[in-house]
Amino acid sequence: AAGVIQSPRHLIKEKRETATLKCYPIPRHDTVYWYQQGPGQDPQFLISFYEKMQSDKGSIPDRFSAQQFSDYHSELNMSSLELGDSALYFCASSLGMGNQETQYFGPGTRLLVL
Amino acid sequence: GDSVTQMEGPVTLSEEAFLTINCTYTATGYPSLFWYVQYPGEGLQLLLKATKADDKGSNKGFEATYRKETTSFHLEKGSVQVSDSAVYFCALSDHTNTDKIIFGTGTRLQVFP
Repeated sequence: AAGVIQSPRHLIKEKRETATLKCYPIPRHDTVYWYQQGPGQDPQFLISFYEKMQSDKGSIPDRFSAQQFSDYHSELNMSSLELGDSALYFCASSLGMGNQETQYFGPGTRLLVL
Repeated sequence: GDSVTQMEGPVTLSEEAFLTINCTYTATGYPSLFWYVQYPGEGLQLLLKATKADDKGSNKGFEATYRKETTSFHLEKGSVQVSDSAVYFCALSDHTNTDKIIFGTGTRLQVFP
C-alpha cells in the first residue's frame, strides 16, 4: 500500500538559509500534519491542514510557514534557519478530521543546520 | 492542557522477559490513545491504539488497555525479543478541534540476548 512520502530525506543547510520540506499524503487523504522531533525528544505538533485550509497551529515559529496544495501535498517553508532547527520533521496524513481516523506517518526529513 | 506522562528509560531486559511501560494521561473529553514505536534511524510506526474506555489495543504481541478510571494506557508484552529494541511513545489525540497527536517523552527499550 502507498505510504506518506517526504522529500528530501536528508537536508543540510547553513544558518540563515531557507529550506523547503515536502510531504505527499497517502492517496485520498485530505488532512496533513507536521511534527518536529529534536534530538532525543518527543515529536511536537507544528501545524495541520484539512482540505487545503489550516486547521490547527502548534508551536511553529514565525519563521516557518506551510501550505497544502490542490493535490493535497503540503510544503513546510523554513527561513532564517537556526542551529536549533536541526531536527527530524515528520509529516502525517489522515482521511478527514475529528473522526478518530488513524494518522499515518512518513519516514521524516532529517534537517541539519550548520 | 492535554499531556502524556510515561516512565523514563532506558528499560533494559533480557530476551523473553516480561515488559511493562507505564503511561498515564491528562485530557479533557474522551481521547484516543496510542503507542508508537521508533526503531533506530527510522520514522514513527503506529503499534496499537484504543479509542474508548476498556478497549484493548494489540499488535505483534504487545497490548494496552484504555483505563479511564486510572487514566492509564500501560504497554505490555509477555516475552520481548532483541528486535523489540526501540523507543516507544505513548500518545493521545483528543479530537476536540483537530486530531493532532500529543506525545509522551518516549521510553527506550533495550533487549539483550
